[in-house]
Amino acid sequence: AQSVSQHNHHVILSEAASLELGCNYSYGGTVNLFWYVQYPGQHLQLLLKYFSGDPLVKGIKGFEAEFIKSKFSFNLRKPSVQWSDTAEYFCAVTQGYGGSQGNLIFGKGTKLSVKP
Amino acid sequence: KAGVTQTPRYLIKTRGQQVTLSCSPISGHRSVSWYQQTPGQGLQFLFEYFSETQRNKGNFPGRFSGRQFSNSRSEMNVSTLELGDSALYLCASSLPTGLSMNTEAFFGQGTRLTVV
Repeated sequence: AQSVSQHNHHVILSEAASLELGCNYSYGGTVNLFWYVQYPGQHLQLLLKYFSGDPLVKGIKGFEAEFIKSKFSFNLRKPSVQWSDTAEYFCAVTQGYGGSQGNLIFGKGTKLSVKP
Repeated sequence: KAGVTQTPRYLIKTRGQQVTLSCSPISGHRSVSWYQQTPGQGLQFLFEYFSETQRNKGNFPGRFSGRQFSNSRSEMNVSTLELGDSALYLCASSLPTGLSMNTEAFFGQGTRLTVV
């Protein structure tokens, strides 16, 4: 069965530090990859997505992620974090073409705490 | 436009009872998915409905069921509640595959179910 691993449970950074959150998935076929964010008390929101094409994708709020097929990875990065980035981040995957998001398989999430 | 609406927001039930949760998708969205979020297991896919038909199902016991109505509203039902069913239940709606590669799943605020 498809699975998603997020390596860090809790990351603590100071403002302006760079961020990289790891994500690996297990399926070897065609996949669609996503990063979602859940701010405290708010609903899940899509940060960015990869269906095909350029493996470096840019999302909202200065986030980007790189799809490395040979490593089954889709790591999330941000050059300089802000206190407002404090949230929980989820990597997710669906299988097949078309970018369907109807049956997302999520990682366990990474809590990011940014110290002002 | 209005987001995904889930009702009720909070629910307390007793072991052995059954519960029905409701989800109204964004207008025009015909795919509705349900997820269970717990601290231990994270976000787990329950099922996806499209045009009143279950399209995908996660690995949950038969006590968990759902349905979708002709107006795309969806309900999920959990029978014979167990303490372990205490969780945040999230609903997401999206455009169906094939209409747009840029489809995005929009999540509701969730229903917090506590089983005592």
